[in-house]
Amino acid sequence: AQSVSQHNHHVILSEAASLELGCNYSYGGTVNLFWYVQYPGQHLQLLLKYFSGDPLVKGIKGFEAEFIKSKFSFNLRKPSVQWSDTAEYFCAVWMNRDDKIIFGKGTRLHILP
Amino acid sequence: NAGVMQNPRHLVRRRGQEARLRCSPMKGHSHVYWYRQLPEEGLKFMVYLQKENIIDESGMPKERFSAEFPKEGPSILRIQQVVRGDSAAYFCASSWPGQGNTEAFFGQGTRLTVV
Repeated sequence: AQSVSQHNHHVILSEAASLELGCNYSYGGTVNLFWYVQYPGQHLQLLLKYFSGDPLVKGIKGFEAEFIKSKFSFNLRKPSVQWSDTAEYFCAVWMNRDDKIIFGKGTRLHILP
Repeated sequence: NAGVMQNPRHLVRRRGQEARLRCSPMKGHSHVYWYRQLPEEGLKFMVYLQKENIIDESGMPKERFSAEFPKEGPSILRIQQVVRGDSAAYFCASSWPGQGNTEAFFGQGTRLTVV
C-alpha cells in the first residue's frame, strides 16, 4: 500500500537554527508533492508544492523543499527558523494511479525563543 | 472564488446525539476528503469521496460514522450516537480531478465537543 512517512514526530529547535524535516513516500508512479502547515488553532495552509520541473521548490516564509526522485523523498528545509514557525507540518503526496492525496502523520515543530 | 466552507465551526453535542458536519468544496472541485485531528495527535484520513461515490473509506470507524457527497449540495459527515471520544477537529479538503496539477484546499474545520 502506498504510504507517506515523516521521520520526525516532534522537533525542538532554537531560533536561527537550520531546519530539515524528512518526508518519504512509497509509490513508483507520477506524484505531486506538498507541504502543509498548521499553526496552533488554525486550519491547514499550503506551504509549497511540486508538480514538475525544477526539483527545488521555494514556498512561503523562506521554506523550500527538494524532490529527489531516486530517494522518493521531499524534505522540507529552512536555513534559519523563527519562533513564529512553531506549528505542525504535514507532507502530502498525490499519486496519479489512485487520484488521491495521502498525508503523513505530521511533525510538530517547536521553536524556542 | 470562495474557499472550502465548513459549517458549523463549533458544534457541541451531548452523548448519544447525532452530529452533522457540512463541507462545501471549492467551485469546480469534485473530490472531497475528510480528516480528523484528535487533541495532541496528527491528521488522520477518514474518507475520500467523489460526487455520489465513496472512493476510499478505509479511515472511517466501522460504526456510527458515515459520509456522503451528493450530486447537489455539500458533503456531509454524520456521526450517530456521539461519544466523548468523538471530540476532535474535523477538516474537509477538496480538489479537482487529478490531471497533473491537483492539490487539496482545506476548510477551517469543525470543532466537535461532546459533553
